Amino acid sequence: QSALTQPASVSGSPGQSITISCTGTSSDVGGYNYVSWYQQHPGKAPKLMIYEVSNRPSGVPDRFSGSKSGNTASLTISGLQAEDEADYYCSSYTSSSTVVFGGGTKLTVL
Amino acid sequence: EVQLVQSGAEVKKPGESLKISCKGSGYSFTSYWIGWVRQMPGKGLEWMGIIYPGDSDTRYSPSFQGQVTISADKSISTAYLQWSSLKASDTAMYYCARVIAAGYYFDYWGQGTLVTVSS
Repeated sequence: QSALTQPASVSGSPGQSITISCTGTSSDVGGYNYVSWYQQHPGKAPKLMIYEVSNRPSGVPDRFSGSKSGNTASLTISGLQAEDEADYYCSSYTSSSTVVFGGGTKLTVL
Repeated sequence: EVQLVQSGAEVKKPGESLKISCKGSGYSFTSYWIGWVRQMPGKGLEWMGIIYPGDSDTRYSPSFQGQVTISADKSISTAYLQWSSLKASDTAMYYCARVIAAGYYFDYWGQGTLVTVSS
């Protein structure tokens, strides 16, 4: 199974909004509402930010939101803050009863 | 408080065997799947496989099937990731994480175990 496709990098200024896309196929992203998003700061373990396309775990700011259309999921961060600078990974359940991650997107806060 | 505590960093030679561990606490260990994720140096996350400690049901990514063995000892709330013959390409950080079964997403993560394989 191939990794989901994410842009290698995105950037934005504090206070702005950015969106990270995650494109798969009908066998993963498009076939299930089981897309999740993780934030990873350098040298740290990943942290769950969004699950089941658009749900936020307790403690995750509501500046983070998720959505999906067809085979593409998106993570939007509004009101960018310096601490949002990190790598972001999407993942999806697949028709093989496994999970596939995206290649990751480096977010730079200018 | 849910915690997953992994074993310490390892330095091994090619061809050697290795078993790293992940001890869960603060929840019912036998009621949640545990998964393993690889992150090679400077690279992204890769889903390796998961195990249900309650009955040891295991699922592997096709990329890792036959390359590693995932196991668990529910009596001590510990999951394992094992290699029989390491290669230099196994050098990576390995994370364990608790799985939420509905969507196979990871809600709690261990701190990671760095495995270095070098002659």
